[in-house]
Amino acid sequence: GAGVSQTPSNKVTEKGKYVELRCDPISGHTALYWYRQSLGQGPEFLIYFQGTGAADDSGLPNDRFFAVRPEGSVSTLKIQRTERGDSAVYLCASSLGGGERGPPREQFFGPGTRLTVL
Amino acid sequence: KQEVTQIPAALSVPEGENLVLNCSFTDSAIYNLQWFRQDPGKGLTSLLLIQSSQREQTSGRLNASLDKSSGRSTLYIAASQPGDSATYLCAVVKTSYDKVIFGPGTSLSVIP
Repeated sequence: GAGVSQTPSNKVTEKGKYVELRCDPISGHTALYWYRQSLGQGPEFLIYFQGTGAADDSGLPNDRFFAVRPEGSVSTLKIQRTERGDSAVYLCASSLGGGERGPPREQFFGPGTRLTVL
Repeated sequence: KQEVTQIPAALSVPEGENLVLNCSFTDSAIYNLQWFRQDPGKGLTSLLLIQSSQREQTSGRLNASLDKSSGRSTLYIAASQPGDSATYLCAVVKTSYDKVIFGPGTSLSVIP
């Protein structure tokens, strides 16, 4: 079966532009996560969706970052007025979920989108 | 706030050597701990997942141990091979829901 896919694999943009990064989770996975990985560091949590709703967006660094998952499947991470410091690999993961009422399930990661802001 | 650290940051060994990677976490209230492998430019591959009630997990040449009370985990790689060269990430899952907290990783290079 297909794993988590992310598009584009690479995105180069100019400072100040708007970008959208897409994640297609594994079919049937209700939980979806976005992480950001800077060079030489481990991934850092950004936002977690359980179904269509953002259950935890505490990792979003500021209000330029926003994510949606309107139908509970595909998710889009949106970054406004990009800055050079936004350059990183953005990873998406999905799981069968569990949330606060069930045990955490193993997360499966996509290959990531490498964002470069010039 | 949970913090995860990994030692060493980088490691270079000759082929065939056994090696140990270390992971420490500050908050013992975890649900499980995972070890991941990341190849350059690639996503994360889960290697081993240890539930908080378990002490260790094994998969092939890999063995991971967990000492929750002391906040430590080790990943043991036996008879290392050049194909093991990658970055190894330790990550903990908080109790009650699934947010994963990652360590910075250990970059491993196995020399033929």
